[in-house]
Amino acid sequence: SQTIHQWPATLVQPVGSPLSLECTVEGTSNPNLYWYRQAAGRGLQLLFYSVGIGQISSEVPQNLSASRPQDRQFILSSKKLLLSDSGFYLCAWSVGEPWGTIYFGEGSWLTVV
Amino acid sequence: GNSVTQMEGPVTLSEEAFLTINCTYTATGYPSLFWYVQYPGEGLQLLLKATKADDKGSNKGFEATYRKETTSFHLEKGSVQVSDSAVYFCALRDLYNFNKFYFGSGTKLNVKP
Repeated sequence: SQTIHQWPATLVQPVGSPLSLECTVEGTSNPNLYWYRQAAGRGLQLLFYSVGIGQISSEVPQNLSASRPQDRQFILSSKKLLLSDSGFYLCAWSVGEPWGTIYFGEGSWLTVV
Repeated sequence: GNSVTQMEGPVTLSEEAFLTINCTYTATGYPSLFWYVQYPGEGLQLLLKATKADDKGSNKGFEATYRKETTSFHLEKGSVQVSDSAVYFCALRDLYNFNKFYFGSGTKLNVKP
């Protein structure tokens, strides 16, 4: 069966510091991978998605970047965090077909102080 | 473009009450539709889905019917429990750019004993 893991689960970072969130998927090949952000009490905002190694689509211009160095690995990064980057970050995956489901990781809480 | 609209929350019910959470969508064609549930501090979990018009998705006592005439996918449960307290998200998968999913803003459900 397929599983998705992301880490760290919680982190507190000072403004201006770098960020790296990592996500890996097991049990499937060539998945679509996604990074979403959820501000407190709000809905989901799609940040990036990837349909293959090295292929990144950015949905919202901001202080973040994403990379996919391996087929089942997706990394969310920032060189300098802003207060507004605080939130709950969710990694997700789906198969590349019209009727497939999207599956989410456990989420990572980021607090920028 | 595609969009998903959910009823505003929070919804507060007593245990064993009937639940309806409204969801309507705008999309080209007949995309797959989903309901996800998010418990506090966790990622989203798939609750149920329907992939074509008139399909009924069901799981754990929850049901939703894909109504193409009204472009709706309302979530229902006959008798809610305290453990159903969570945030519920309606979503669709773009039929033509199926790398993309669209989520509603979420509806928080509080069930009181």
